[in-house]
Amino acid sequence: KAGVTQTPRYLIKTRGQQVTLSCSPISGHRSVSWYQQTPGQGLQFLFEYFSETQRNKGNFPGRFSGRQFSNSRSEMNVSTLELGDSALYLCASSLSPGTVQPQHFGDGTRLSIL
Amino acid sequence: SQQGEEDPQALSIQEGENATMNCSYKTSINNLQWYRQNSGRGLVHLILIRSNEREKHSGRLRVTLDTSKKSSSLLITASRAADTASYFCATDRGWGGAQKLVFGQGTRLTINP
Repeated sequence: KAGVTQTPRYLIKTRGQQVTLSCSPISGHRSVSWYQQTPGQGLQFLFEYFSETQRNKGNFPGRFSGRQFSNSRSEMNVSTLELGDSALYLCASSLSPGTVQPQHFGDGTRLSIL
Repeated sequence: SQQGEEDPQALSIQEGENATMNCSYKTSINNLQWYRQNSGRGLVHLILIRSNEREKHSGRLRVTLDTSKKSSSLLITASRAADTASYFCATDRGWGGAQKLVFGQGTRLTINP
């Protein structure tokens, strides 16, 4: 069974640009969550999607948004990029929300802002 | 804000020794999970322990949970070079049925051959 796939693996952007990151969950998994990982702040929850609906959102500005498609694939978008957005963005999937279960993570997209 | 705090922040031991990492958290939880992250990779789930459990084993891993002290520990026995990684605890308060993991800052474990 293929794991969580995130594309691209690496991305370099400049301030003010926008970026879209993609995540394909494990087949059959319907819940997708996004996390930002930085050396200073560690791992922080961005948002969670299930059945194309955002169920939970972390404490990030509105420049961070996401969506989920009917096939459970998810994208997150960051607009008006700032230097502080440089981070490893991790996507995780699970069968469904609301139950006690582990999250399966992809290897992330490393975003660098110049 | 971080829910969990791992202790120590970094740990270096010899291969074959046991490694113990601790995690403290602040609020009540539904479950606590431990994850491993190799450099530049995603997180790999190790163990999930529910709030009504006190101890759990998986191979060379042993996790304990003390909800009265709001703390957990991860023990790796007979360490191997391949265990070199960062280890994170994550708590899940399960707000309204939605999953949201809150991670600690992690412990960087180095196993010296």
